[in-house]
Amino acid sequence: NAGVTQTPKFQVLKTGQSMTLQCAQDMNHNSMYWYRQDPGMGLRLIYYSASEGTTDKGEVPNGYNVSRLNKREFSLRLESAAPSQTSVYFCASVRDSPQETQYFGPGTRLLVL
Amino acid sequence: GDSVTQMEGPVTLSEEAFLTINCTYTATGYPSLFWYVQYPGEGLQLLLKATKADDKGSNKGFEATYRKETTSFHLEKGSVQVSDSAVYFCALEDSNYQLIWGAGTKLIIKP
Repeated sequence: NAGVTQTPKFQVLKTGQSMTLQCAQDMNHNSMYWYRQDPGMGLRLIYYSASEGTTDKGEVPNGYNVSRLNKREFSLRLESAAPSQTSVYFCASVRDSPQETQYFGPGTRLLVL
Repeated sequence: GDSVTQMEGPVTLSEEAFLTINCTYTATGYPSLFWYVQYPGEGLQLLLKATKADDKGSNKGFEATYRKETTSFHLEKGSVQVSDSAVYFCALEDSNYQLIWGAGTKLIIKP
């Protein structure tokens, strides 16, 4: 039982390059989330998926796209990376509400030059 | 909208000191409240939670009491250890069942 896994752990991109961050969970949760974490700003929700086949925008979706490939996997894509997207990205798998508990992956540290 | 405010860090303490990290919230209704902890190089993990007024969440020696009258959920520990050094996040669950996060408080414990 690995919980939530994320790949890669670290990535350096040049402005304009694209990449996909991968996330997978083995807890059979319906909901999955993508956050970015920036100093002094806590976590900000980028996109979430309440169930397989559905995705919704969060607080800061611009510049990102997501795919809920199946119940286990939820990927985040940067089509044209910008320096403002330098951040640490966390994927979370969510046990159902109302007593919501989020299980986080180890994070992907992204540097855009 | 709903929001969470945490005391700014870093908070630096000596081992065995008493810890308080303040958290206040603004919300409609009575949301569930959470404390998450992030150890260096890791993702966040749930530390404790409380779902209604006057509930006390506790785990690993940490405690927090849901205070409706002061809209607060302060985190406390009687005697901290070096291993408690981490970033602590307060959060509430809004009416859409999503978490609203505080900015995080970095805690540094010196031996």
